[in-house]
Amino acid sequence: SAVISQKPSRDICQRGTSLTIQCQVDSQVTMMFWYRQQPGQSLTLIATANQGSEATYESGFVIDKFPISRPNLTFSTLTVSNMSPEDSSIYLCSVSTNRVLEQYFGPGTRLTVT
Amino acid sequence: KQEVTQIPAALSVPEGENLVLNCSFTDSAIYNLQWFRQDPGKGLTSLLLIQSSQREQTSGRLNASLDKSSGRSTLYIAASQPGDSATYLCAVIKAAGNKLTFGGGTRVLVKP
Repeated sequence: SAVISQKPSRDICQRGTSLTIQCQVDSQVTMMFWYRQQPGQSLTLIATANQGSEATYESGFVIDKFPISRPNLTFSTLTVSNMSPEDSSIYLCSVSTNRVLEQYFGPGTRLTVT
Repeated sequence: KQEVTQIPAALSVPEGENLVLNCSFTDSAIYNLQWFRQDPGKGLTSLLLIQSSQREQTSGRLNASLDKSSGRSTLYIAASQPGDSATYLCAVIKAAGNKLTFGGGTRVLVKP
């Protein structure tokens, strides 16, 4: 398994601003992912964070809105840009560490945009 | 496109009763299936992972079965306790891209 931490745990932001969320893992991992969970909904994959190259985004998510960095095998950031109230969600990072592709999740960042 | 459905969406049982949570998926070409627990406002805790070649996995009071050909998995929780109250999510993964596709979850309330 892996121990994953996220910062901040929650934030309240004004529309039009940007927030960067950090994800730190206690060991080197190959795969890191970013998910969004809108209120009352299940999880939706935003992108796969690739070490040393551009992230791979899912349909409906674009780099200008959700830029992602992954400078090494233990750390990634997700920025939510030019926020609107519709961006109010829990944002979670996850990692896959073993050959059976089991995924482990961080505690999440609860974002409220006013 | 893979779709994952969980029924019921919510479940309320008295303490001590066994819980049965259902998960169905439309594309049987999966690599594995994972069950998670989520407490309100929190992240996800991995409960059980069943590989596509397996029929079931057990951990303590939890047992998960997988019928890949019919596209179904069931999570059984024996002798439920109030601390089992949470939302339970199932998710399937195809090897390519390692992408998890989640169901909508079942919100469980165990009443003392």
